[in-house]
Amino acid sequence: GQQLNQSPQSMFIQEGEDVSMNCTSSSIFNTWLWYKQDPGEGPVLLIALYKAGELTSNGRLTAQFGITRKDSFLNISASIPSDVGIYFCAGQDMDSNYQLIWGAGTKLIIKP
Amino acid sequence: NAGVTQTPKFRVLKTGQSMTLLCAQDMNHEYMYWYRQDPGMGLRLIHYSVGEGTTAKGEVPDGYNVSRLKKQNFLLGLESAAPSQTSVYFCASSWTTSYGYTFGSGTRLTVV
Repeated sequence: GQQLNQSPQSMFIQEGEDVSMNCTSSSIFNTWLWYKQDPGEGPVLLIALYKAGELTSNGRLTAQFGITRKDSFLNISASIPSDVGIYFCAGQDMDSNYQLIWGAGTKLIIKP
Repeated sequence: NAGVTQTPKFRVLKTGQSMTLLCAQDMNHEYMYWYRQDPGMGLRLIHYSVGEGTTAKGEVPDGYNVSRLKKQNFLLGLESAAPSQTSVYFCASSWTTSYGYTFGSGTRLTVV
């Protein structure tokens, strides 16, 4: 079946640091999505990407659709305490037929 | 605008008991989904629906049944709960298969 590898699994960072995480797939995707999940809540869409090479920002967040169409990156600049949570990538390929494929998540923890 | 509402928020079941989780959306979305979330495994699709009166199996459908009698509601049933079904269950809805899923806040189910 489809595989989405998301890394790192967790990150411990200082407030103010930049954060990078990525996802790679075993097949070509036509959509990449990035979500954030706060504790006790459902995931919320951050950024959606639909074209290879596309670079999209949402405030301090920037995501890119890799040119190979098999990967995507999410960067967070100047992290703040409210950035804490789990970040998920999700994607859809030509054969997914209504199903998004989800990464296992990157847990972001800010050191006090 | 409530979005996606899940009830109940918490439930403890004994092995063999049955229950129904209710999901309601007020955005007139065609597509609805049920996911389960387990630590370190991201989101796994249980069942989904592409419109009123339709349902289909996702990645992990065994032990669950669903119904979509009304467009705004998507019910998830456990006929005979097992400890392996202890999880957090999320409902989501969307306009299209690849864009902007809106998630509920989840149901935390423990089967003892």
